Amino acid sequence: DAGVIQSPRHEVTEMGQEVTLRCKPISGHNSLFWYRQTMMRGLELLIYFNNNVPIDDSGMPEDRFSAKMPNASFSTLKIQPSEPRDSAVYFCASSLPGQVIYEQYFGPGTRLTVT
Amino acid sequence: GNSVTQMEGPVTLSEEAFLTINCTYTATGYPSLFWYVQYPGEGLQLLLKATKADDKGSNKGFEATYRKETTSFHLEKGSVQVSDSAVYFCALSDKLGGFKTIFGAGTRLFVKA
Repeated sequence: DAGVIQSPRHEVTEMGQEVTLRCKPISGHNSLFWYRQTMMRGLELLIYFNNNVPIDDSGMPEDRFSAKMPNASFSTLKIQPSEPRDSAVYFCASSLPGQVIYEQYFGPGTRLTVT
Repeated sequence: GNSVTQMEGPVTLSEEAFLTINCTYTATGYPSLFWYVQYPGEGLQLLLKATKADDKGSNKGFEATYRKETTSFHLEKGSVQVSDSAVYFCALSDKLGGFKTIFGAGTRLFVKA
């Protein structure tokens, strides 16, 4: 099992540029989550999908952020235009909800630096 | 709504010391409780879990007991090692909250040799 795969691992871009982060969840998992982690704000849930459908995007900071899940094995998080305050580590996680347990499996993260 | 409160860090201990990281929760339903650990430069990974009252989760020498009467899920380890240095997150999830997991703020642990 390859685990959750994220790409790129590191991204450095200039303010105003478009940034696309990618995630491949664990095969068979039907829930996918995007988080952002910073020293100041900790771990924040941005959006999550269930069966490829966005369920809750209340954590998306503003219209510059968008996320898609075109199929069960791929999701993207896009920032357009990027700003220095978007600098953070972005994590993708997937889960297979059962009757009781909802543990999540995290990817290694993408460290984004916007200059 | 659901929430998780855990003790602020950082916590600094010497090797072989006893560890306790406190965690309390608020939930409207009957949540499952988790401890996740994040090592430097990595994503979070599940350390242990408990799904109902009085359950004890354990892994790698760490333990936590689901206490419904005190709404707590404190993490303990009898003898920490330098390799346990990491950030520890308490979390909960339940059906009433949909598929979301609510994470605490995290507690950074430093273990000195």
